[in-house]
Amino acid sequence: GEDVEQSLFLSVREGDSSVINCTYTDSSSTYLYWYKQEPGAGLQLLTYIFSNMDMKQDQRLTVLLNKKDKHLSLRIADTQTGDSAIYFCAETSHNTGKLIFGQGTTLQVKP
Amino acid sequence: SAVISQKPSRDICQRGTSLTIQCQVDSQVTMMFWYRQQPGQSLTLIATANQGSEATYESGFVIDKFPISRPNLTFSTLTVSNMSPEDSSIYLCSVDFSLPGGGNTIYFGEGSWLTVV
Repeated sequence: GEDVEQSLFLSVREGDSSVINCTYTDSSSTYLYWYKQEPGAGLQLLTYIFSNMDMKQDQRLTVLLNKKDKHLSLRIADTQTGDSAIYFCAETSHNTGKLIFGQGTTLQVKP
Repeated sequence: SAVISQKPSRDICQRGTSLTIQCQVDSQVTMMFWYRQQPGQSLTLIATANQGSEATYESGFVIDKFPISRPNLTFSTLTVSNMSPEDSSIYLCSVDFSLPGGGNTIYFGEGSWLTVV
C-alpha cells in the first residue's frame, strides 16, 4: 500500500534554515501537503503542492518536489522558536481527499 | 479557506460509555473525513462521511464501534462507542475544500481530545 516516510526529529538554532524531508511511494499522488501541529492543538495547513509542480514558495516556506525520486521537502527560512512543532507530510491521490500521513517530524528550535 | 468547528474540544469519559463528536463547517463541502491520532502517533483515517448514505470505513474500523452521520453538506458526527482506554486519542474532522480558482485543499478541525478512564 501507499507509504509516507519522514525523519522523526530535527534540531536547529534560531535564525538558521530548517529542511524537513519526506518520501512517498504512491506514484499517482496528486497533491502533497505539509501540516504543522503545535502542542495541544489540531493540524494547521501550512502549504501544499500539486504534483505537476516542482517548487512552491510562500513567505518563509519553500516546498520542493522531486517527482522522479518521490521526494518532498519543506524549507523554513530564518527559523524561529515559534516554529517548534511537529510537521506532517501527507499525500492524496485520485482526488479522493483521503490523506496518507508520514510519522511527523519534531522540529526543535534552540535560542 | 474553510472554518471547521469541533465539539467537544476535550472530554474525559468513563469506560464503557459512548461519546458523539460533532463537526460543523462554515461552507458546503462534498467530502468530509474522520481521523484518529493516538498519543504520540500520526493520523489514521477512520472513514469517509458520505452525505445521504452510509460512511465508508477504512480497514480496521467498523460501523458498530464508530458510527458516523452526515445529514447535510456542512455537518457530521462521529460516535466512539463502548469506549476503552485504548480509544484515548485525538479525533479530527477534515474537509476537502474546493478553491475558488480551481483545485482542492484539505483542512482540519482543531480536534477532539478524548481521555477514557
